[in-house]
Amino acid sequence: DAKTTQPPSMDCAEGRAANLPCNHSTISGNEYVYWYRQIHSQGPQYIIHGLKNNETNEMASLIITEDRKSSTLILPHATLRDTAVYYCIVRFYTGGFKTIFGAGTRLFVKA
Amino acid sequence: NAGVTQTPKFQVLKTGQSMTLQCAQDMNHNSMYWYRQDPGMGLRLIYYSASEGTTDKGEVPNGYNVSRLNKREFSLRLESAAPSQTSVYFCASSFGPNTEAFFGQGTRLTVV
Repeated sequence: DAKTTQPPSMDCAEGRAANLPCNHSTISGNEYVYWYRQIHSQGPQYIIHGLKNNETNEMASLIITEDRKSSTLILPHATLRDTAVYYCIVRFYTGGFKTIFGAGTRLFVKA
Repeated sequence: NAGVTQTPKFQVLKTGQSMTLQCAQDMNHNSMYWYRQDPGMGLRLIYYSASEGTTDKGEVPNGYNVSRLNKREFSLRLESAAPSQTSVYFCASSFGPNTEAFFGQGTRLTVV
C-alpha cells in the first residue's frame, strides 16, 4: 500500500467547510483512497472512498487529483460533532493485504 | 443493529498470562481484521482473514495468533502477554477486502 501524508492538525469554524488534504504520491493504479474518522477513542468510522473519480455521499465529498497523487476530503458544513481524527489510507487487496492508517489529521471544529 | 461486537471492553493482564479477545459481526461480511492502536498513533494491522477459512499476517503479527472460527467470529489470542502489548485492540469487518470496513468499539488491554 502507498504511504499517505496528512497534516497533524487543522482548525475549522463551525458551519464552514472543512478541507482535509492527503498526499499519496506513490499510489498505484489499482489502489483505492479511503477516509475514516475516529471520534475520541471510539472505533474508526468509514466516511467515503474512491478510485479516480470524485465521490460524494451524505457525509462528505472526496476530490482526487487527476494524477491521483493527492486527495481532499470535504466536510461541507462542519459541526462540533465533526471534531475527530481523520485518517486517509490507500489499499488494494491482491492476495496480500496491508493497511497503513498513519497518524491522521486532528480536526478541531470551533464554535 | 449490533454490527461488530468485541469482548471484553477492558482487560488487565499480568505479564505472561494468556487471553483471547473475541469479535463477532452480524453483517454477513466475508473479511475480518484485527488492529492495535497505541496512544497518539494510527492503527496497525495485526492479522486479517480475507474470507472464511483463511488468515494472514498483517504488519505486526508477532506475539499474536488468530482463529477464524466461522464466518461471524474472528478471535485474537495472546499466548504470553507482554507490557509492549498494552494497547487498544479493534476488530473490523468488511464485505470484501476492497470494500469499506466497519469497526467495533475496541478492547482496552493493559499488561502489567
